[in-house]
Amino acid sequence: GAVVSQHPSRVICKSGTSVKIECRSLDFQATTMFWYRQFPKQSLMLMATSNEGSKATYEQGVEKDKFLINHASLTLSTLTVTSAHPEDSSFYICSAWDRPNTEAFFGQGTRLTVV
Amino acid sequence: AQKITQTQPGMFVQEKEAVTLDCTYDTSDPSYGLFWYKQPSSGEMIFLIYQGSYDQQNATEGRYSLNFQKARKSANLVISASQLGDSAMYFCAMREVTSYDKVIFGPGTSLSVIP
Repeated sequence: GAVVSQHPSRVICKSGTSVKIECRSLDFQATTMFWYRQFPKQSLMLMATSNEGSKATYEQGVEKDKFLINHASLTLSTLTVTSAHPEDSSFYICSAWDRPNTEAFFGQGTRLTVV
Repeated sequence: AQKITQTQPGMFVQEKEAVTLDCTYDTSDPSYGLFWYKQPSSGEMIFLIYQGSYDQQNATEGRYSLNFQKARKSANLVISASQLGDSAMYFCAMREVTSYDKVIFGPGTSLSVIP
């Protein structure tokens, strides 16, 4: 099946710094990728839809200026958490479709800890 | 309004027994897809099974089957012959074609298999 690679898998950063998370589709082109956030023992909450060559579409309640998404190529989307604070600590995971397959492929996820 | 409901926060099943995980959904889109994903403690999202809204037959994948009752808007997952490795979080999810194919997740069910 198709592979989505996410990097880094874990990151610890100081409060006030920015962190970039990469999501790559390794063997298919993804015009659209999705970013989710998951708090412990909770479900995946969709943050935004990343569209290649255009602006991301953010879900209601997600701060656009805090969570910057760039989808510069058909195989790479990045999520930058700007001026991170401890409350941003969470599990971030991306996904993409490999049409015409029916399943969404997920990256391995990134566990962000802000200290 | 919550679109995916999973009413069982936690479930226990004896090894080798079958278990049904409930899922109900809400959509006005005639074209949609329903998924089940498994998430072990490592955090990776493992695709289990898919059911399209126009599929006439219930989907099956090995030990997994999806009991699709369209009129009731229900898509229950049946796991036969439970194994210890089945202990994990299970998420029901839905993709709506009119919502740019984004996938939204239910709250999840934690399944524990007892030896």
